[in-house]
Amino acid sequence: DAKTTQPPSMDCAEGRAANLPCNHSTISGNEYVYWYRQIHSQGPQYIIHGLKNNETNEMASLIITEDRKSSTLILPHATLRDTAVYYCIVLQPMNDMRFGAGTRLTVKP
Amino acid sequence: EPEVTQTPSHQVTQMGQEVILRCVPISNHLYFYWYRQILGQKVEFLVSFYNNEISEKSEIFDDQFSVERPDGSNFTLKIRSTKLEDSAMYFCASRGQAIYGYTFGSGTRLTVV
Repeated sequence: DAKTTQPPSMDCAEGRAANLPCNHSTISGNEYVYWYRQIHSQGPQYIIHGLKNNETNEMASLIITEDRKSSTLILPHATLRDTAVYYCIVLQPMNDMRFGAGTRLTVKP
Repeated sequence: EPEVTQTPSHQVTQMGQEVILRCVPISNHLYFYWYRQILGQKVEFLVSFYNNEISEKSEIFDDQFSVERPDGSNFTLKIRSTKLEDSAMYFCASRGQAIYGYTFGSGTRLTVV
């Protein structure tokens, strides 16, 4: 998705928090930030989404800056099973989702 | 937890043959999608379907492709005359309300020989 910029890869130690950044400086007022991940060749998996407030669910937390130009996905205690490609997508809900290259997160023992 | 079911998981077909990939979306969902992923590449949008018609399609979704929701439960992708370059993982997805996240199926690996 050309509207977001993510680092191509990151490493994280097992048991530590994984903080995945995403820049979306051209986000407009009615666009949400969605995060998905894809483990190996499985179907993408929805993680979390938000508009402007921070969000938390059983999988992760989403921190969105006050100006909404960037966000961070936090996996509080990464496990080996969290190794995946993580996609940050900015989207108006009625539009169709497009994937970029994402961040390849490798959780190491 | 409800899931999107795709069949078959793997299909091998001869070039020029027609294939139909099948998906059963989550029962109360309203929006339906097909994506594909060529090996080693990113996930690409093909088509979206809402209210029994195509909402949007990408440039990949040419006249060789069609979608159908024939019976209110299945959602199919047909490729009329397959080419070698159609070899890819094909993912179906659905969602309930516009704001919600998509639920993806586990995919069909299509191999055209």
